[in-house]
Amino acid sequence: GQSLEQPSEVTAVEGAIVQINCTYQTSGFYGLSWYQQHDGGAPTFLSYNALDGLEETGRFSSFLSRSDSYGYLLLQELQMKDSASYFCALGAGGFKTIFGAGTRLFVKA
Amino acid sequence: NAGVTQTPKFQVLKTGQSMTLQCAQDMNHNSMYWYRQDPGMGLRLIYYSASEGTTDKGEVPNGYNVSRLNKREFSLRLESAAPSQTSVYFCASREGQGSTDTQYFGPGTRLTVL
Repeated sequence: GQSLEQPSEVTAVEGAIVQINCTYQTSGFYGLSWYQQHDGGAPTFLSYNALDGLEETGRFSSFLSRSDSYGYLLLQELQMKDSASYFCALGAGGFKTIFGAGTRLFVKA
Repeated sequence: NAGVTQTPKFQVLKTGQSMTLQCAQDMNHNSMYWYRQDPGMGLRLIYYSASEGTTDKGEVPNGYNVSRLNKREFSLRLESAAPSQTSVYFCASREGQGSTDTQYFGPGTRLTVL
């Protein structure tokens, strides 16, 4: 089957850079996505990697290494509003997506 | 353009009661999904519908049924609610047919089963 592992919590200071890692196991790879979820809110799409390398979208970047079954989300110029949970999600083939348990990011002033 | 809408927002049930969670999307998306999210956990797929007229089981389908009423609407039914079904339920839709295409989520239904 498929599984993902990510840290449960990360704390960083406003203005800093933080990296949230995600390792995965899968028999067939269809891409790795990242979603953000604020407390009480719905998940919203951030970024997607199908191929190795870095994808940049404003302050957010996502990296993938398929040979290492590893990816990360990089958040730059952290703001207080970035305090949220971040989920990596694995394309599981067909129409299914498997989500990790999430990393809760605390941004301190 | 409301995106994905869900009703109700909150619901309290007693064990054994039944209810239907409603979901609708106005983005003309083909595939729709039902997830549950338990405290401190990620989203787990309950059922999905790749297109109008088709439904398939996800990771945790037991105790649930679904109906894809038309392209817009996808409902989730709990026939006999159990405390283990206390959770937040999210509906999502996706335009493409790839498992990595962006999913758009509704605001969620917070369900408590006593």
